[in-house]
Amino acid sequence: IAGITQAPTSQILAAGRRMTLRCTQDMRHNAMYWYRQDLGLGLRLIHYSNTAGTTGKGEVPDGYSVSRANTDDFPLTLASAVPSQTSVYFCASSSGTSSSEQFFGPGTRLTVL
Amino acid sequence: GQNIDQPTEMTATEGAIVQINCTYQTSGFNGLFWYQQHAGEAPTFLSYNVLDGLEEKGRFSSFLSRSKGYSYLLLKELQMKDSASYLCAVRGGDYKLSFGAGTTVTVRA
Repeated sequence: IAGITQAPTSQILAAGRRMTLRCTQDMRHNAMYWYRQDLGLGLRLIHYSNTAGTTGKGEVPDGYSVSRANTDDFPLTLASAVPSQTSVYFCASSSGTSSSEQFFGPGTRLTVL
Repeated sequence: GQNIDQPTEMTATEGAIVQINCTYQTSGFNGLFWYQQHAGEAPTFLSYNVLDGLEEKGRFSSFLSRSKGYSYLLLKELQMKDSASYLCAVRGGDYKLSFGAGTTVTVRA
């Protein structure tokens, strides 16, 4: 693995189903993030984690949950998917220093019908 | 809350120069980032400014004025591969990034 990987690449999901989007990084970054990207709205932060064992809410957290059991993995769970959660989801990580940029995974395109 | 504005679209000719402006109003300020995003791909880091002035990196330069809440990304000697969306992002007082909606740049031959 090099950088950040996300799975699945794309998914079509029935409304009401539970779904977990996976994110793994091998850069030993402390901080990890989940964003959704919708046309005309840009990237919006869903949840973040500054270090393993801690998580926080971003701008649009409702309907989503995260966990950070270790440094490398940061899964995002939709407990009961709704059509408004149709979006492209990006996971990102950074070393956590003030000047550090965020590195983005390739994204997961999710469609909820 | 954060408010970040940038133009929706810009078109320029190969070899020309394009300037993408970004204005922001944020709660606190801890740096401004520019990212490039090709269609269907992930954003990739271009530049970072935390002090006023110009940062130059090859064909790309970024400028910041904190007192005016203003930044621009300058793309010189445009190439067809520069056709992409350019995202302005501000790190606020809480150290989280807030993104603008992005500017789609189309380079024409």
